[in-house]
Amino acid sequence: EPEVTQTPSHQVTQMGQEVILRCVPISNHLYFYWYRQILGQKVEFLVSFYNNEISEKSEIFDDQFSVERPDGSNFTLKIRSTKLEDSAMYFCASSEDGRPIDTQYFGPGTRLTVL
Amino acid sequence: AQSVTQPDIHITVSEGASLELRCNYSYGATPYLFWYVQSPGQGLQLLLKYFSGDTLVQGIKGFEAEFKRSQSSFNLRKPSVHWSDAAEYFCAVVLGGATNKLIFGTGTLLAVQP
Repeated sequence: EPEVTQTPSHQVTQMGQEVILRCVPISNHLYFYWYRQILGQKVEFLVSFYNNEISEKSEIFDDQFSVERPDGSNFTLKIRSTKLEDSAMYFCASSEDGRPIDTQYFGPGTRLTVL
Repeated sequence: AQSVTQPDIHITVSEGASLELRCNYSYGATPYLFWYVQSPGQGLQLLLKYFSGDTLVQGIKGFEAEFKRSQSSFNLRKPSVHWSDAAEYFCAVVLGGATNKLIFGTGTLLAVQP
């Protein structure tokens, strides 16, 4: 069964450093998402992406964050200058289309630790 | 305030016992409703979803959920729990319209004792 993959599984970085989290969505899916879960808190939406453009973003997704689909398979989340409060589990998801009822398939997550 | 509420943070059930996990939402219109499960080290997996039609929805792994409009609830049930069901369960909604982002509840951590 096709699945969403994410690398790395765990990333440790120093505050102020740039990090890139990578995701390979399911191949025929058109919509891509990033969510994050700070330890002990809810899973929160960050951004959705379609047709090489951001289709929606949350208040969390400020200028420090960016997303890109650099080729036909990868979908990346970049945090330009990490802060301590960026420490979280970051989940990538994809869906076949953008209908509200469409299933979003999640990857296993990347745990980001900012020191 | 608009929200998705899962009142039970942690539930422990015995293997073979029945299970009900509660979810309430507070939005003006009925949203699209989802239940996801997260096992340790795994991503979120969809158990079932609902928008319209029969209010009792069947999902994977023997789970079902019932939508009750009058109570703004979408509770998840399983008649007989297996040890492998130990995981965290998330209720989520999509409001629809111009958005398809999932809004999650805080989750319920299920422990299964022998």
